[in-house]
Amino acid sequence: EDQVTQSPEALRLQEGESSSLNCSYTVSGLRGLFWYRQDPGKGPEFLFTLYSAGEEKEKERLKATLTKKESFLHITAPKPEDSATYLCAVHSYSGGGADGLTFGKGTHLIIQP
Amino acid sequence: DTEVTQTPKHLVMGMTNKKSLKCEQHMGHRAMYWYKQKAKKPPELMFVYSYEKLSINESVPSRFSPECPNSSLLNLHLHALQPEDSALYLCASSETGYEQYFGPGTRLTVT
Repeated sequence: EDQVTQSPEALRLQEGESSSLNCSYTVSGLRGLFWYRQDPGKGPEFLFTLYSAGEEKEKERLKATLTKKESFLHITAPKPEDSATYLCAVHSYSGGGADGLTFGKGTHLIIQP
Repeated sequence: DTEVTQTPKHLVMGMTNKKSLKCEQHMGHRAMYWYKQKAKKPPELMFVYSYEKLSINESVPSRFSPECPNSSLLNLHLHALQPEDSALYLCASSETGYEQYFGPGTRLTVT
């Protein structure tokens, strides 16, 4: 069974204070690892897809990296508008039955001005 | 355009009602999904339509019934729901195996 564990559960930073969110995963065959941002009461917003170890993707203040066991979402000089819950999800070959994403519980990020 | 639309935005229904949630995408994606999300929890997969073939998460009760009229539309029919079914219901679409794009969700309250 696929498992995705995110840490920390919650993170409070000052504006401009860089940090990293962790996503560790256990799957039998990774088809893709995805990062999403979710604001309260809204649907998840797609950020990045990573397919193989060593891959990196960047978008504005965010950078996602992937190893064989975990992914990091690095946030550089964050702003208050970066406050949200960040979700990590995997899509694997191991799933039986319904073939969809398995999500971690998310990291609730708060950026204080 | 990566937009997935869902209607209604909010729905309140009694336990004896029958209602439907609707989802639409115009990205030409061949896979569409229903997820359920409880407060402060991650989304949980309910159903997948991929190339018009249905896959079901076995833990989903039969009071939820999906329908895919065509490759752009996805419905979720609700009947005899329980208060614990109150949640945010999310629709998503994708090219099979690639990133999924989510709609804004329908907030369902069962009274």
